[in-house]
Amino acid sequence: DTGVSQDPRHKITKRGQNVTFRCDPISEHNRLYWYRQTLGQGPEFLTYFQNEAQLEKSRLLSDRFSAERPKGSFSTLEIQRTEQGDSAMYLCASSLEIPNTEAFFGQGTRLTVV
Amino acid sequence: AQSVTQLGSHVSVSEGALVLLRCNYSSSVPPYLFWYVQYPNQGLQLLLKYTTGATLVKGINGFEAEFKKSETSFHLTKPSAHMSDAAEYFCAVSGEGGSKSTFGDGTTLTVKP
Repeated sequence: DTGVSQDPRHKITKRGQNVTFRCDPISEHNRLYWYRQTLGQGPEFLTYFQNEAQLEKSRLLSDRFSAERPKGSFSTLEIQRTEQGDSAMYLCASSLEIPNTEAFFGQGTRLTVV
Repeated sequence: AQSVTQLGSHVSVSEGALVLLRCNYSSSVPPYLFWYVQYPNQGLQLLLKYTTGATLVKGINGFEAEFKKSETSFHLTKPSAHMSDAAEYFCAVSGEGGSKSTFGDGTTLTVKP
């Protein structure tokens, strides 16, 4: 198993453009999480899936953000009409369906909005 | 709501010295506690976790942490720092509101030769 994989690792985009990130979790993990991390801060929860169902979304996740996990495997996070404040590291993590077990993190996608 | 406070955003120690990174949590339910390490431009790697049972938890790379319920603390220690320990360390808590974790703002550990 190669762990959690995220693509791309880096993305530079112009303000107002749409971007999409992909996350491939560890294959036997049916829970998948998205977090956002800005400089000098810890990761902040955005949303999580159990299989293909999106079970929780943070209030941080504005209408411009949408996440999907159509077949319960990989997930995508799309940001529409990007703003400079969206610049951050977007981290994906996955875990087994065991309450409060640890999550395994990918290396993240660093987004820079210019 | 659950929360984590990491005391000291930067800690500097000499190689071979004791490492102590402080973490206090708040939770309305019995907490599950984690320490993660993050190297530059990388994701987070789990160092250790506390779920139930023994309050002294041993992790990878010689780190350990002790859960103290009365002090709502979960401080991370290592007896002897190594240059390769230089990184950012995050304490996290889960238990309220499902399986998502709430993270502290991190502590950057610098190890001087």
